[in-house]
Amino acid sequence: DAKTTQPTSMDCAEGRAANLPCNHSTISGNEYVYWYRQIHSQGPQYIIHGLKNNETNEMASLIITEDRKSSTLILPHATLRDTAVYYCIVRVAGGTSYGKLTFGQGTILTVHP
Amino acid sequence: DSGVTQTPKHLITATGQRVTLRCSPRSGDLSVYWYQQSLDQGLQFLIQYYNGEERAKGNILERFSAQQFPDLHSELNLSSLELGDSALYFCASSPSPGHFEQYFGPGTRLTVT
Repeated sequence: DAKTTQPTSMDCAEGRAANLPCNHSTISGNEYVYWYRQIHSQGPQYIIHGLKNNETNEMASLIITEDRKSSTLILPHATLRDTAVYYCIVRVAGGTSYGKLTFGQGTILTVHP
Repeated sequence: DSGVTQTPKHLITATGQRVTLRCSPRSGDLSVYWYQQSLDQGLQFLIQYYNGEERAKGNILERFSAQQFPDLHSELNLSSLELGDSALYFCASSPSPGHFEQYFGPGTRLTVT
């Protein structure tokens, strides 16, 4: 699985958009970008994933650059409950993939009132 | 609530002892994963089972073993415990190995004294 690089920490004001970047310059053509978050020692929670098109769901949007070497997770209206560690993960999905998730250090997002 | 249950929530034991952590996956999920989260190593994949068979191994020590039973619940056995084994142990499940989302349980916090 490709390695990812994320900033160690970021701050965001409540109600504003939180934009979390991730670099994955060695990503392969069949690897997806996943985002999970972990709120204070709870089990990690899936947020969103994508291959090359931008994706949006009820939690967030995922913007992947055209060369797929980086991506940005966008929380459109951050709340205090979004304070968590956010993990960007790259892995093959589907078919015969093993399925394991390789977590890096993640980005600690702190949302301020 | 992810639908994945783990018992016990907390476990305190002494060095050299053996413990068993239990995981019940979401109804219908055939794949189970174990992860370890320690302060110095972060979240690490240990092992994966699919429909009762071992599918993939990660950084799992030889003192650790796991199995998945016919009813699909899984157990992680940790023996000859050392202080460094103190960590949060998470179980996750998914319908299949390559499924895009893994559902994490609340974790078992193991403290070795």
